[in-house]
Order: sequence, then C-alpha cells, then structure tokens
Amino acid sequence: DQQVKQNSPSLSVQEGRISILNCDYTNSMFDYFLWYKKYPAEGPTFLISISSIKDKNEDGRFTVFLNKSAKHLSLHIVPSQPGDSAVYFCAATFLSSNYKLTFGKGTLLTVNP
Amino acid sequence: NAGVTQTPKFRILKIGQSMTLQCTQDMNHNYMYWYRQDPGMGLKLIYYSVGAGITDKGEVPNGYNVSRSTTEDFPLRLELAAPSQTSVYFCASSPTVRGQYFGPGTRLTVT
Repeated sequence: DQQVKQNSPSLSVQEGRISILNCDYTNSMFDYFLWYKKYPAEGPTFLISISSIKDKNEDGRFTVFLNKSAKHLSLHIVPSQPGDSAVYFCAATFLSSNYKLTFGKGTLLTVNP
Repeated sequence: NAGVTQTPKFRILKIGQSMTLQCTQDMNHNYMYWYRQDPGMGLKLIYYSVGAGITDKGEVPNGYNVSRSTTEDFPLRLELAAPSQTSVYFCASSPTVRGQYFGPGTRLTVT
C-alpha cells in the first residue's frame, strides 16, 4: 500500500518555463513533507520542506504547496533550468515516527535547453 | 566535513555470502537510517537508529542486521545474501526532521 504517490514517472519542460511536480499521500498522520532531488549515481539531496501547519513554503526558485484537505502537495520550479534535470522524490513523515521518511517513487524531470 | 560516507561503492556477492556495508557521518547527528532503492521505486527504510545503542526496524528489515556502537558509525550487515537483495543502498543521517543527509550509495549485486 503506497502511502506516498507520485503518479507521473516523468516530466519534460522547456528551459525558463515552470515545472510542476505532484505528490499525493494517504496517511493522515503525516505532518511534515519534504522534496529531495537525485542525480544519477549520487545520493538524494534535500531540496525543500513544508510543515502541515503551512500551505506554502518558498526557497528561491522552489516553492512547495500543501493542500491538506486533498492530501496533495506540489513542487513548483520557476524558472526551470537544465541543471534541474534529475529525479525528484516526495517524502513524508510524522514527529512520533522518529522522523522515518516514506518516499514516493520519484518523477524524472528533464529540462530542455 | 565529509558528511555521510559509504563503503564500498560497488560490490558483487554470490548467493549465500555475507557482507557489511559501512556508513560513517561526521556531523554528530543522532538519527541514522538505511534505505534501499530498487529500480523504478522510491527508497524503502530498512533500519534506523535514534542514537548510539538504539536501533529499530523499518519497512523492509528481513535479511539485514544493524548495530550502532558509536554516534558516527551505522553498519548494515547482510547475512546469506539473496538475489532479492540486489539494490542500491543509501545511508542517511539527520539532526532533526529538517532534511536527512544521504551518502552516495552502495550498488550491490547478488548473483
């Protein structure tokens, strides 16, 4: 039973345009959500996170939106750059779980020059 | 700081062999984790530790063992390797929930 779902295996966008990556979750106990970026042959790197008490968090070109009623979050990258091409993982956790992360399967983003 | 280091980078095991995947972090983080990533899948938690001497099972612990005798080290032991354990293994550490720091991974093939 997948508790964190990324239904788009891949996404292709043009350089300079907006990339929107989506993530859905089923476990109502999740109260903290994170996005990780992964290049081939490297470990994931933390990108941005959001607490369930917020509905938006922004860091430079990256913004994460959380819709708790829909159990949905999205990552917006504006403007997209070729160096953003990577696999993006959505992850969720809750405080009493000792920060154990549950990951989605990932979305491969390709930004074309 | 080196961050999280993992050795080896690659390993091929025969069925039934054993090995230990090493993980070391120099950030003095209490929390450490082991994940595996199968092709086309997300990362799945194998074991985790909230501090030296304390470990607990994650989602997929069968076939693995861990120990945490120091804050820095969190080795993962595979006993009696099976083809189903062919995967990429990532170690991570964290001071809090705000972002786990991952190592570069160990690519393991069991044949």
